[in-house]
Amino acid sequence: QVQLQESGPGLVKPSETLSLTCTVSGYSITSGYYWGWIRQPPGKGLEWIGSIYHSGNTYYNPSLKSRVTISVDTSKNQFSLKLSSVTAADTAVYYCARDDYGDSPRPWGQGTLVTVSS
Amino acid sequence: DIQMTQSPSSLSASVGDRVTITCRASQGIRNDLGWYQQKPGKAPKRLIYAASSLQSGVPSRFSGSGSGTEFTLTISSLQPEDFATYYCLQHNSYPKTFGGGTKVEIK
Repeated sequence: QVQLQESGPGLVKPSETLSLTCTVSGYSITSGYYWGWIRQPPGKGLEWIGSIYHSGNTYYNPSLKSRVTISVDTSKNQFSLKLSSVTAADTAVYYCARDDYGDSPRPWGQGTLVTVSS
Repeated sequence: DIQMTQSPSSLSASVGDRVTITCRASQGIRNDLGWYQQKPGKAPKRLIYAASSLQSGVPSRFSGSGSGTEFTLTISSLQPEDFATYYCLQHNSYPKTFGGGTKVEIK
């Protein structure tokens, strides 16, 4: 069965770039599906960030588009998130998920908390 | 963006109660909607896809209905393990958008 695991720094300084990686196991990214990122600030609701196909085609949330880059590394069966110029408002639990076009995300990784603070 | 308005934002109920949660879309989304359950410190778990299809392994007391702009999630007989926060998500158009959540608490 497909499993996803987020990894990356838990603390990022304001104005710097947040970088996270999602490792997929039990399924080859090149076999299909979009793969995406979703975040949740502490005590708040969920926000869809964006998704990517193994070919590199992406969809981004316009509210974050100017700061977000999602990329894929098929050789490692991973995809990544970069969010630039972060502020305290970007503090959240970041989830990766299989997030296919025309479907709701499933399954999800366990999530990783990223705190933006100096 | 399509706005998803979820109500109520919280509710108190007893074990055995029938619970209904509603999501309204700001424009028609056909049946392009999923429902999720989230427990504290855990990732959301999909319960329903395509508005009314039960995810494999999810108890049959959960059901979804609706199409177009109005959708409901019903728990026919609330169980202790169902106390959680529930979210709807539309995937009819990008960006995908979530409802604000409904926290189901013990009365």
